[in-house]
Formats: sequence, structure tokens, C-alpha cells
Amino acid sequence: GAVVSQHPSRVICKSGTSVKIECRSLDFQATTMFWYRQFPKKSLMLMATSNEGSKATYEQGVEKDKFLINHASLTLSTLTVTSAHPEDSSFYICSARENGYTFGSGTRLTVV
Amino acid sequence: QQQVKQSPQSLIVQKGGIPIINCAYENTAFDYFPWYQQFPGKGPALLIAIRPDVSEKKEGRFTISFNKSAKQFSLHIMDSQPGDSATYFCAASPINQGGKLIFGQGTELSVKP
Repeated sequence: GAVVSQHPSRVICKSGTSVKIECRSLDFQATTMFWYRQFPKKSLMLMATSNEGSKATYEQGVEKDKFLINHASLTLSTLTVTSAHPEDSSFYICSARENGYTFGSGTRLTVV
Repeated sequence: QQQVKQSPQSLIVQKGGIPIINCAYENTAFDYFPWYQQFPGKGPALLIAIRPDVSEKKEGRFTISFNKSAKQFSLHIMDSQPGDSATYFCAASPINQGGKLIFGQGTELSVKP
């Protein structure tokens, strides 16, 4: 079945630094990937839709300059949290569509 | 505003029981309705999904019931086991919106031995 690999699984960074999260489709090509954010015991909130070779589409209220998305190939999308602050601490999850939606295992970001 | 409302927020059943989780949508046409299971610290895993031209779908111990006129759909878990204890999310994909998913609020299920 379709596999989406997400790295890193955990990252701790200092306030003001940037963090990059990778999402790879391992056995299929994904022209579209999705990035979600999840707070503890809460639902998944769609942040943006990542489109291969073009600009990402951000949901209302998501700062595109804060959360930079790059989808340079058919198997890789990256989310960069720029100038991270403690309020950016969260669980970030990517997904890709291949006969349904497959999710990565998530990245726990802690900003200290 | 696109919304998918899920209930209950939490649910406790005994082993062998049949937990039922409900979702309702409004205001937007959706064409795909998946259910996901999520364990702590992990990404969601697809359990079962249905399209609106079908009223019921079964896969193993999981059944989706879909009521298009009422804009409601539900997940039934037959012969529940302690290993089914997890958070369950319903979701819906709006038509012609790039394939994104709108998630319900989640239900934390606990199956007691």
C-alpha cells in the first residue's frame, strides 16, 4: 500500500530558529500533499495544500510567510517553520492522496 | 463555513460491545467520507471510507452507515477489543476543492477488558 514517510518525528528548537519537516511519498508520485496541525486532544486542522511545481494554497488564517511550503518534486514536500516561537509547538502531519489519503507519522515540534 | 460535527467526544464500552460514533456535515457538498484511527503520537490511519452513492459499507469489524438526506454518517465497531482504544476521526472531502479533508472533532474510545 501507499506509504508516506515524514521526518523528523521529533524536533526541539530554540525560539527564533527555523525548522524544516520533510514529507515523502515512498512508492507513488504525489502531485498534491496536505499539511495539518494538531494540538493535544484536538482535531487535525488543514494548514495548506502543497502542489508540485507551483505555490501552495494556504487555509484562511495560516501565515504563509511563517509556514513555508515547497513541493519541488513528485515525491517530496517540505514545511519550514520560520522564526519559530513557543506557540508554534504542535504536532504537524502531512498526507498524500493515492487511492485514498495516506498520512505520515507526524512531527512533534517543541520550541523552547 | 465548512463543518463536520462529530459526537460523542469520548466513549467507554466493554469488550465485545459495539461503539457507535456519529458525524454530520452541513453547508457543503462532499463526495468522500473516510474514518481514521489515531494512536497517541502517530499519524491517522485509514479504517474505512464511503462515497455518497452508497448507504452502508462493511470492512471486517468496521461498518459505515451513510444517510445522504440527513447529511449524517456513522461508524460502528463490532466486537470491540481493548486494542481498538484510540481516537477516531471522521472526515469529509468537499467537491472541487483540491481534494482536501475536513475533519470532525474526534472521539476518544476506550474499550475496557
